[in-house]
Amino acid sequence: DAMVIQNPRYQVTQFGKPVTLSCSQTLNHNVMYWYQQKSSQAPKLLFHYYDKDFNNEADTPDNFQSRRPNTSFCFLDIRSPGLGDAAMYLCATSRGRTTQYFGPGTRLLVL
Amino acid sequence: GENVEQHPSTLSVQEGDSAVIKCTYSDSASNYFPWYKQELGKRPQLIIDIRSNVGEKKDQRIAVTLNKTAKHFSLHITETQPEDSAVYFCAASLNNDMRFGAGTRLTVKP
Repeated sequence: DAMVIQNPRYQVTQFGKPVTLSCSQTLNHNVMYWYQQKSSQAPKLLFHYYDKDFNNEADTPDNFQSRRPNTSFCFLDIRSPGLGDAAMYLCATSRGRTTQYFGPGTRLLVL
Repeated sequence: GENVEQHPSTLSVQEGDSAVIKCTYSDSASNYFPWYKQELGKRPQLIIDIRSNVGEKKDQRIAVTLNKTAKHFSLHITETQPEDSAVYFCAASLNNDMRFGAGTRLTVKP
């Protein structure tokens, strides 16, 4: 009965090699979020989709992009990963402006 | 933008004691205040939340209080158990813009 699913759970990429992380949900929530969480720190919002409307945080690097082809799926694209992009990436969903439910996360390692 | 401060950063209590974690926020327009528990290597999980039109909410051993005038809110855990050990994050949200506090690492000693 997984509700917010993230694949893969662990991703290893090379410095500068594009990588895509995926998130899907079975909750039919209209809002999907991407957070970056580094060790011992709070999750940091990168961007979110409210329905089809993309909302980027002002301090999210241009290196990070997102796509939402339909209600259920959302992707995080990192165009040229640097060593500083190694982190846990968390996807979350909500129905409107309510509680956010998190997926299990994808841990990204950049070599 | 919203800024959330959380204290203490670490908290150690004896099993059975109470634990209190405090947060302040800067944007008086924020209207939703969730608390998340995150165990090592796992996702943040919502444990309790409160909206700006409510002053206090309780769910078994967990309670949250909100003081809108002072812009602070607190998490209270009573009769702590070793399984309560985790990192706890407060957050303040307006619309879909949620900002987290830096987290409190709670350790409950048996």
